[in-house]
Amino acid sequence: QVQLVESGGGVVQPGRSLRLSCTASAFTFSAYSMHWVRQAPGKGLEWVAVIWYDGFHKYYADSVKGRFTISRDNSKNTLFLQLNSLRADDTAVYYCVKDADYWGQGTLVTVSS
Amino acid sequence: NFMLTQPHSVSESPGKTVTISCTRSSGSIANNYVQWYQQRPGSAPTTVIYEDKKRRSGVPDRFSGSIDSSSNSASLTISGLKTEDEADYYCQSYDGSNRGWVFGGGTKVTVL
Repeated sequence: QVQLVESGGGVVQPGRSLRLSCTASAFTFSAYSMHWVRQAPGKGLEWVAVIWYDGFHKYYADSVKGRFTISRDNSKNTLFLQLNSLRADDTAVYYCVKDADYWGQGTLVTVSS
Repeated sequence: NFMLTQPHSVSESPGKTVTISCTRSSGSIANNYVQWYQQRPGSAPTTVIYEDKKRRSGVPDRFSGSIDSSSNSASLTISGLKTEDEADYYCQSYDGSNRGWVFGGGTKVTVL
């Protein structure tokens, strides 16, 4: 069965960086677009970024453009999100999502001094 | 860009039917597929409806999706409500202007 397992979250100071990973299994990872979606505490869902199946096309929400970078390693079935210049309002659970049908369990990023 | 607007909450008794609306602010609701996600407390979202009206495998047929061009909205209907249906529900569609997704604000369903 499809599994998406995020890792890399934690507590980080404002202005610092963090790299999230999402390891996929039980489907042909290289054939699907992958998204990151986040959810601030007590708030709704916010789309963050998408990377197409081949890794060449990447698109971002305005709120993270220029600070976050999405990437993938199809040989390792892994999706990444590099978070730079982190701010307090980036505090959220970050989910990786396979093409609008499967979601991971999420990893919590807390930005605090 | 466009927004998707959902009611903040709905409540109904077990066995009854609720319908959650998702209204698109600009552009036709029919332009892009709508998905619906269920998020139970403390859990990750799961997909219940994709491509406007298709049920994900394993989702009971008590859940149904539709779109209505006259009101420019999508709807999720849950019939025969069960306590296990208590959750937040989010609609989502594709935004061609930034090649990304737009989510509705979410609707909390309470089964009284």
